[in-house]
Amino acid sequence: AQSVTQLGSHVSVSEGALVLLRCNYSSSVPPYLFWYVQYPNQGLQLLLKYTSAATLVKGINGFEAEFKKSETSFHLTKPSAHMSDAAEYFCAVSDGMNRDDKIIFGKGTRLHILP
Amino acid sequence: DTAVSQTPKYLVTQMGNDKSIKCEQNLGHDTMYWYKQDSKKFLKIMFSYNNKELIINETVPNRFSPKSPDKAHLNLHINSLELGDSAVYFCASSRGLEAFFGQGTRLTVV
Repeated sequence: AQSVTQLGSHVSVSEGALVLLRCNYSSSVPPYLFWYVQYPNQGLQLLLKYTSAATLVKGINGFEAEFKKSETSFHLTKPSAHMSDAAEYFCAVSDGMNRDDKIIFGKGTRLHILP
Repeated sequence: DTAVSQTPKYLVTQMGNDKSIKCEQNLGHDTMYWYKQDSKKFLKIMFSYNNKELIINETVPNRFSPKSPDKAHLNLHINSLELGDSAVYFCASSRGLEAFFGQGTRLTVV
């Protein structure tokens, strides 16, 4: 069964500093990996996804993530944090696109941006 | 135009009541889901439907009954509500890998 582990339930960075949110996955087959963002009182929005093409994936709002099979990791980064990046971030994994495949979410990391 | 819309956005009700949450998507997707997000923000899948057919039914109490009248709608009916049912319920739809989420329904059972 697939799963994801997000390291750190809360991460604080200063405005303008590097953002690094960590995610490790477990999957018996080559995984599809995702990062979603949830702003307060809103639904989840897809930031980026890895689908076995390029290992470095670029997403919206300047975020990117790198798939590292040897480390079973899919960490999310952004070179320079902005106040508007404060939100909850979820890493997720799926085995595939079959009808009974499901997206499994990590427990989330709350990103705080310090002025 | 809202892609995945849920109603109501907030729902406060007493223990023992029966309530429904409605979800509609206008994306033409074949698959729809219900997720539950608890107070610690943990997201857990409850059900998925594909073209009105139940595909995934996680270990959810049978007080929860999803209904899909057509592939654009997936409603969630909850009988005999309990305090522990308080959470935010998210509807989502997908075709392929990307899931689109509604704004959520915050259910509070008192």
